Amino acid sequence: DVKVTQSSRYLVKRTGEKVFLECVQDMDHENMFWYRQDPGLGLRLIYFSYDVKMKEKGDIPEGYSVSREKKERFSLILESASTNQTSMYLCASSLSQLNTEAFFGQGTRLTVV
Amino acid sequence: GESVGLHLPTLSVQEGDNSIINCAYSNSASDYFIWYKQESGKGPQFIIDIRSNMDKRQGQRVTVLLNKTVKHLSLQIAATQPGDSAVYFCAEVNYGGATNKLIFGTGTLLAVQP
Repeated sequence: DVKVTQSSRYLVKRTGEKVFLECVQDMDHENMFWYRQDPGLGLRLIYFSYDVKMKEKGDIPEGYSVSREKKERFSLILESASTNQTSMYLCASSLSQLNTEAFFGQGTRLTVV
Repeated sequence: GESVGLHLPTLSVQEGDNSIINCAYSNSASDYFIWYKQESGKGPQFIIDIRSNMDKRQGQRVTVLLNKTVKHLSLQIAATQPGDSAVYFCAEVNYGGATNKLIFGTGTLLAVQP
């Protein structure tokens, strides 16, 4: 089975802190994604990557950056955390351009105080 | 997660009944559609998919129907069980873009009453 692992289930950070959310997948997938999930808004795409060192903005990239130095790892970075970034963050991966079934991690609930 | 179900459309069904969850999608050029199930405290899990050249696809206890004329997708669950209680999301993909990304709907909460 594909496994997508997010490093933390729960995080509490202070406003202004730099925050790293880590995601690792073990099935050699090309594509990786970061979403945030908020009540009533569904899943919104922040950033995605279709290859090592490649990244593309999703629908809500402001306040975030990403890093993909290795194929299996995709990191989401909050340069200066703010309270409106309190959310559930979901990482996902998919095999390739033509196989879009995405496998999700368990999510990281981030609270910024 | 535990708060995902708040503010969502809710479908309440009796155990053993059939459930129909609906989704209106936005892009008439979308090529591929997927239904995901998200249980409390977990990430979304793939249920079933359908390509735009089909109008129906069946899985185990689930059927997806696609009506491209009105841009409507539905998920039918037969003999609904308590374990089916979850938030259900539809997602669409347009292969015409540089990278095929999933666009999700806002979700429907299915509550199964014993």
